Amino acid sequence: QQQVKQSPQSLIVQKGGISIINCAYENTAFDYFPWYQQFPGKGPALLIAIRPDVSEKKEGRFTISFNKSAKQFSLHIMDSQPGDSATYFCAASRDTGNQFYFGTGTSLTVIP
Amino acid sequence: NAGVTQTPKFRVLKTGQSMTLLCAQDMNHEYMYWYRQDPGMGLRLIHYSVGEGTTAKGEVPDGYNVSRLKKQNFLLGLESAAPSQTSVYFCASSYLHGTGVETQYFGPGTRLLVL
Repeated sequence: QQQVKQSPQSLIVQKGGISIINCAYENTAFDYFPWYQQFPGKGPALLIAIRPDVSEKKEGRFTISFNKSAKQFSLHIMDSQPGDSATYFCAASRDTGNQFYFGTGTSLTVIP
Repeated sequence: NAGVTQTPKFRVLKTGQSMTLLCAQDMNHEYMYWYRQDPGMGLRLIHYSVGEGTTAKGEVPDGYNVSRLKKQNFLLGLESAAPSQTSVYFCASSYLHGTGVETQYFGPGTRLLVL
């Protein structure tokens, strides 16, 4: 059973546009929600993360929006650039746990 | 500071052969993980370790064994490779933060093809 559900599977955005990737979870014990970025041939790397005590976290052009009641969180990439073309994974973990549960990934292509 | 390294980068095996994948980290992290990545499946946890000498099963442990004899190394073994084990394998490590873990640092991956 997929603990974290991610959509869409793929996304094509024009340069300068906004990319939005959504994730949903069921386990209310999750309290740490990171997003990872993966370029072809490389391992995933942490992009940005949020804890449920805030509803939004922004780092540069990347923003996580978190809706605790809906058990959903999303990644917004503002002013998308061709260099943002990569696969993005959401994940979730429990503060007292030691495992991460990953979404299935979203392949983002930003067209110049 | 090399971070997380994986050996080998690529390997071709015949069905039934065995091999060991090596993961090493120089960040003194307590936790280490082995994942496999398949198209449309995301990252699935195979085994993990919360400290030297300890290992635990993840989501897809069948057909794999692991060992963590030293804190900095985490080995993944395939005793009898099957075509279903064709995948990209990632190792990751993380540090203990409070009572849980935070950022995972991933290695560059090992691409395994089983014929």
